[in-house]
Formats: sequence, C-alpha cells, structure tokens
Amino acid sequence: DAGVIQSPRHEVTEMGQEVTLRCKPISGHNSLFWYRQTMMRGLELLIYFNNNVPIDDSGMPEDRFSAKMPNASFSTLKIQPSEPRDSAVYFCASSKNTGLPKETQYFGPGTRLLVL
Amino acid sequence: AQKVTQAQTEISVVEKEDVTLDCVYETRDTTYYLFWYKQPPSGELVFLIRRNSFDEQNEISGRYSWNFQKSTSSFNFTITASQVVDSAVYFCALSEAKNSGYALNFGKGTSLLVTP
Repeated sequence: DAGVIQSPRHEVTEMGQEVTLRCKPISGHNSLFWYRQTMMRGLELLIYFNNNVPIDDSGMPEDRFSAKMPNASFSTLKIQPSEPRDSAVYFCASSKNTGLPKETQYFGPGTRLLVL
Repeated sequence: AQKVTQAQTEISVVEKEDVTLDCVYETRDTTYYLFWYKQPPSGELVFLIRRNSFDEQNEISGRYSWNFQKSTSSFNFTITASQVVDSAVYFCALSEAKNSGYALNFGKGTSLLVTP
C-alpha cells in the first residue's frame, strides 16, 4: 500500500514568493497532520484535520500560513509570502482517527523548503 | 501542559554495543499513549512502537526493546548489539489532547551514531 505522499520533495524559492506544499494521506485515514521540523524548535504541529475539517490550527505561525483539505485524499499547506525563517522540513502525516489517543500517525517523506 | 524530555542530545557507540535512549514524559491524563519514531539520515520518520499507559509489560522486537515505567514516567528504548544502520535520530512522543482530538507532542530527539 502507498504511504503518505508529499510533493515537492525539495523546494527552493525566493523571499516573497508563494509556496504550496501538497499531501496525499493514506487511503482510509480520516485524519491529517502538518508538522514543521527545524533544528531550533524540533518537530512542531502546525495544524490537523479530521474528516477534512480543520480541528486545531493553533500551531500555525502566522497569517502567512494557510492549509486546506478540499477532499479526503488531498491537502495543501500554503505560505504567502514566504520568508527565510520559513526554511524547514514540512511533514504531512495521517492516521485513522484523531479522535482517539491511540492512533498511530504515519509520516510522509517531507518537503525540504529553502527560502532565500 | 504535557511534555516529553529526551535529555540525551547525541550518543555515539561502537558497533555491537548496547545503547539505551531515555524518554521522560509529563502528563495529567490517566490514559495516554507513547510512541517512538526513527528518523534515518534520509529524513523520513518511521514509526517504531506504540505503548499505552495501562500496559507496563516490556516489549521486545528483535534487537529493539522498550521499558515503560509509569512510576518514573519513563519510556526508554534499548538497542542491543547496535549496527551502523541504527544510526539515526530517535524521537519519543506523547499523544496529547488538542482541541477535540489528539496530536503528537514530540521530544527533541536523540541522535545516535553507531560507528564500525
């Protein structure tokens, strides 16, 4: 079975440009998570969805970040305008049901973003 | 607030040595779940194990074993007869209630280097 799919795997852009990261969760999983990983802050939860509905976006850094999940098989994380401090690895993860603490999250390969 | 502490930032061992990675957590929940993930140099996050708070039996999977001790709020991970392929960053995580669902609260990770 296919795991979580993320694209692009690498993105280099210039400050001020719009960046869109994409994620396809594992089929049958109802919950989707976006994380950011940096050396300074480690792995941080940005936002998560359950049944395509955003449940908690308290980790989204600021208004420049937005996330959508138009259907059960696709989500985007957009940064507009991007800034050098947004450079990080962005992970998408999915699980069967975020309503239960026991559900294991499975991670995609990540998108390595560099903003110049 | 819940918290996960991995006090060992980096560990270096020689192949075939045993190594234990420490994880200490804080939570007010009576029922909770703990996880370990591996992040090899290629960057992906790989799920290793999930443990619930009401099962204190140690778990063994090949060269990997986990020691969960509720009394000391610890969930330590031991690799027996380490191999070069075990070199990775290992993350401990606690399932944390976030709004109406659950998300993972990660420790900062322990970087393990196994040399020949």
